[in-house]
Amino acid sequence: AQTVTQSQPEMSVQEAETVTLSCTYDTSENNYYLFWYKQPPSRQMILVIRQEAYKQQNATENRFSVNFQKAAKSFSLKISDSQLGDTAMYFCAFMKGLDSNYQLIWGAGTKLIIKP
Amino acid sequence: EAQVTQNPRYLITVTGKKLTVTCSQNMNHEYMSWYRQDPGLGLRQIYYSMNVEVTDKGDVPEGYKVSRKEKRNFPLILESPSPNQTSLYFCASSPTRGYQETQYFGPGTRLLVL
Repeated sequence: AQTVTQSQPEMSVQEAETVTLSCTYDTSENNYYLFWYKQPPSRQMILVIRQEAYKQQNATENRFSVNFQKAAKSFSLKISDSQLGDTAMYFCAFMKGLDSNYQLIWGAGTKLIIKP
Repeated sequence: EAQVTQNPRYLITVTGKKLTVTCSQNMNHEYMSWYRQDPGLGLRQIYYSMNVEVTDKGDVPEGYKVSRKEKRNFPLILESPSPNQTSLYFCASSPTRGYQETQYFGPGTRLLVL
């Protein structure tokens, strides 16, 4: 069974620092997608970044980048120059294909606090 | 504006009183899904729909029903809510069912069953 593990329940850093959130997953599939979602206090789920497993290059979106290690099944999120608005829960998710339902499998989340 | 909307955003009810949480998307997406979020568990899929009149169970379907009579709407029905269904619920949609698609989430519905 596919699983997603986020080993850091909570992290806090000072504004402008760089922070890395870890995520590991387990799957026997070769082609899949990985996602990081942000959930601010408003509770809405917001896509931060996604990575295609067959791509070697790590995805980047402005201050957000990932370190994708396929062999190690690791997918960490790096936030550079952190801002107060980055305070949120961050969820790592894996998209599998099971028959015809491409279902998202979620980690338990990491609460990130950016301190002024 | 492209979006997924859910109503109500907050709901307090009592055990056994039927309720419906609506979900609507204006992006002409084929695939829609319901999740529940509980502390320490991430999100778990309740039901999904590939297209109109096509629905199927996710990981935690017990106690829930859905319907997909129109492409844009995917309501979640709790026929007889119980306290263990107290949770935060999300509706999501994507253009198709392919794994390369990004899912768009609604704002969430917080449900408390007394």
